[in-house]
Amino acid sequence: KQEVTQIPAALSVPEGENLVLNCSFTDSAIYNLQWFRQDPGKGLTSLLLIQSSQREQTSGRLNASLDKSSGRSTLYIAASQPGDSATYLCAVTLNTGGFKTIFGAGTRLFVKA
Amino acid sequence: NAGVMQNPRHLVRRRGQEARLRCSPMKGHSHVYWYRQLPEEGLKFMVYLQKENIIDESGMPKERFSAEFPKEGPSILRIQQVVRGDSAAYFCASLDRVAGELFFGEGSRLTVL
Repeated sequence: KQEVTQIPAALSVPEGENLVLNCSFTDSAIYNLQWFRQDPGKGLTSLLLIQSSQREQTSGRLNASLDKSSGRSTLYIAASQPGDSATYLCAVTLNTGGFKTIFGAGTRLFVKA
Repeated sequence: NAGVMQNPRHLVRRRGQEARLRCSPMKGHSHVYWYRQLPEEGLKFMVYLQKENIIDESGMPKERFSAEFPKEGPSILRIQQVVRGDSAAYFCASLDRVAGELFFGEGSRLTVL
């Protein structure tokens, strides 16, 4: 059974700091991995999608890496800003005759001005 | 191209009533997922549907919950005889089958009094 774990559960950093969010999954036979952002009371916004054949993806100040063999992904946020404060969710998708996406519990990030 | 549309955004029901949540996927998407998010918790998979078919309902409670995705019209998540424990945010996502990427709606927040 695929399980997704995110560490840390919560993180508070001063503005401008570079930070790393961690995600681990138990079954390496994934189709892809997505990082999402969720603001309080809102839906999920897709940040980065890494296909199983890829090692990393970048978008602006965000960089996500994927190491399937070790079952790990990291989301790197450069030069953090107060507007980055949100919950970040890692999700792995399996293709077992149909796509199924399993979520981690998220990392709640607070960036202090 | 409108995103995933969910309605109602907020729904209040008294114990024992029925709740119906609707989801229209992105144009061209024929696969829909429903997730539930309890307060301060992560997203839990409920059901995965294709037009007129339930692909995977392993996350659905056995009683009171049902889902459908008819040939015409939105997907419906139906909760009969609601209880206070059903209070949660219910998110719908539609799938881009090429990339295996999920796109989420803003969610429907159910409050049971």
